[in-house]
Amino acid sequence: QKEVEQNSGPLSVPEGAIASLNCTYSDRGSQSFFWYRQYSGKSPELIMSIYSNGDKEDGRFTAQLNKASQYVSLLIRDSQPSDSATYLCAVNVYMNRDDKIIFGKGTRLHILP
Amino acid sequence: GAGVSQSPSNKVTEKGKDVELRCDPISGHTALYWYRQSLGQGLEFLIYFQGNSAPDKSGLPSDRFSAERTGGSVSTLTIQRTQQEDSAVYLCASSLVSEQYFGPGTRLTVT
Repeated sequence: QKEVEQNSGPLSVPEGAIASLNCTYSDRGSQSFFWYRQYSGKSPELIMSIYSNGDKEDGRFTAQLNKASQYVSLLIRDSQPSDSATYLCAVNVYMNRDDKIIFGKGTRLHILP
Repeated sequence: GAGVSQSPSNKVTEKGKDVELRCDPISGHTALYWYRQSLGQGLEFLIYFQGNSAPDKSGLPSDRFSAERTGGSVSTLTIQRTQQEDSAVYLCASSLVSEQYFGPGTRLTVT
């Protein structure tokens, strides 16, 4: 069973601090990794994708990938109350000759004003 | 350009009735996914279409659920003989390579 694991939270972070969200995955063949943000009552929104080991920065967001440890993380710098949401990690897996995306259950992030 | 659209946005139905939910993917996207999300829960995979390949139906919870994708574009998810436990938000997503883009969802309430 190919899985994506996330701590469900809630993760509470003071405003202005760095929020660190973590995700582990089971399929060593995975090549594509994504972070989605989902506000309450809304659909998930893609915020970051990463394909190579190392860091990828986009504004206040940094995705970090370590394929050897099967670990991907999302750092949010200078956290804002508007960052309060559920963050979903998604990973591609190969099943039955198909490339398919599977999601973790998400981590709820709460930024404390 | 236009994103993924879904209709209806809300659907209230009586237990035992059939419902059809529609998804219009982003033009040119070859992959289409259906998910279900109950209140406060994660995404539950239902079915996946990729091009002309046979769909991956491994997530459909029962034979009351079916989906089709006509002409490689629009998809319809059908739930027959609805039950109260079918109440949830049904989300559709499409992708060209691997990045998925979600529609706004259909909120289904079975009374």
